[in-house]
Amino acid sequence: NAGVTQTPKFQVLKTGQSMTLQCAQDMNHEYMSWYRQDPGMGLRLIHYSVGAGITDQGEVPNGYNVSRSTTEDFPLRLLSAAPSQTSVYFCASSYSFTFGRGYTEAFFGQGTRLTVV
Amino acid sequence: GQSLEQPSEVTAVEGAIVQINCTYQTSGFYGLSWYQQHDGGAPTFLSYNALDGLEETGRFSSFLSRSDSYGYLLLQELQMKDSASYFCAVRDSNYQLIWGAGTKLIIKP
Repeated sequence: NAGVTQTPKFQVLKTGQSMTLQCAQDMNHEYMSWYRQDPGMGLRLIHYSVGAGITDQGEVPNGYNVSRSTTEDFPLRLLSAAPSQTSVYFCASSYSFTFGRGYTEAFFGQGTRLTVV
Repeated sequence: GQSLEQPSEVTAVEGAIVQINCTYQTSGFYGLSWYQQHDGGAPTFLSYNALDGLEETGRFSSFLSRSDSYGYLLLQELQMKDSASYFCAVRDSNYQLIWGAGTKLIIKP
């Protein structure tokens, strides 16, 4: 069981470049999300999705786009990279509509360490 | 606004017991979770409380008081490998996980 697979693990971009961070899960989770984590900080929600075809903005959506064409995949696009987007990005998935442990247990990918120069 | 408050840093001695507190203010409440994150790693799930009381999982326990909007994570028999950051998180009425800023646990031999 692969869980949540995130690629790439490391990336260096020049200011103004665009790229897509990939995220795939094989647990049939409805809920997927993207976070960024700056050094010594908590997780800030960028975008999330409660199911295929449904996405919504989180706390810090500017400069990022997402789509959810399938249950498994939830890519994050950086439109025009800026140094302020240097961060560690995590994709996470969980069940949305069940109660008990599954409702809040989020499974994370290993992260993408992005540097924008 | 929504917020979760937890101490930024806690220091303890190997073999001791430590408690990490979390108070929350969120729109809706579907449970309080705790996650562990080692430096350079991803957060991993530790425990979950939906109802008041204590949940025990090995050396780790988690407590919830919904009337006080408060919970804590209790780590017993501390080991050096427990050195990490610990995050509390609440699922709100919009299905979002709201995160605390994390508590860095420093363990001294």
